[in-house]
Amino acid sequence: DAKTTQPTSMDCAEGRAANLPCNHSTISGNEYVYWYRQIHSQGPQYIIHGLKNNETNEMASLIITEDRKSSTLILPHATLRDTAVYYCIVTNTGNQFYFGTGTSLTVIP
Amino acid sequence: DAGVTQSPTHLIKTRGQQVTLRCSPKSGHDTVSWYQQALGQGPQFIFQYYEEEERQRGNFPDRFSGHQFPNYSSELNVNALLLGDSALYLCASINIRSRSGMNTEAFFGQGTRLTVV
Repeated sequence: DAKTTQPTSMDCAEGRAANLPCNHSTISGNEYVYWYRQIHSQGPQYIIHGLKNNETNEMASLIITEDRKSSTLILPHATLRDTAVYYCIVTNTGNQFYFGTGTSLTVIP
Repeated sequence: DAGVTQSPTHLIKTRGQQVTLRCSPKSGHDTVSWYQQALGQGPQFIFQYYEEEERQRGNFPDRFSGHQFPNYSSELNVNALLLGDSALYLCASINIRSRSGMNTEAFFGQGTRLTVV
């Protein structure tokens, strides 16, 4: 079963930052937080992952709270192409994911 | 690099039939996992193959079976198809030997859309 809780849907204005929250209050010490997104029934696309430090790459930033019970994915300048379902996953295997229903992000022109 | 490739892209089968789906992992990857994604739902983990053996399994009946070949490619077989098996089937690959620091990510294919009628 998925061990994360995410809002069902969110809207974001184009060009603004999209902040997607995720609760994972039962996360274990050796579990990482992964974020994937899925655009219209394509295969999920990796975005970012982290253990306890904040992470940034060319796509997004990941902010993990100090107690690791929640995190936020930040898309700094959302575009229409960022409209997708975003999944937050906690895992210690890197390849065995238990997806929830994710957050459907709609970027509005 | 072709990434993870799956075939076929679409498939229609009749209830009770058997189906085989195929997956070629990303170059350099040695571990393959399979997922089932019903419409409107997140992907559900079926099983994982490494060194030609099933290593982990999700909550799926034994009608779902798989195989991994020496070249790391994999097949997913589903017997006695039910209408409820209609879904997008996803394959994901990873290099398990490089994840000692978990500094890696799984790559997904585009999936096979299976329709059971």
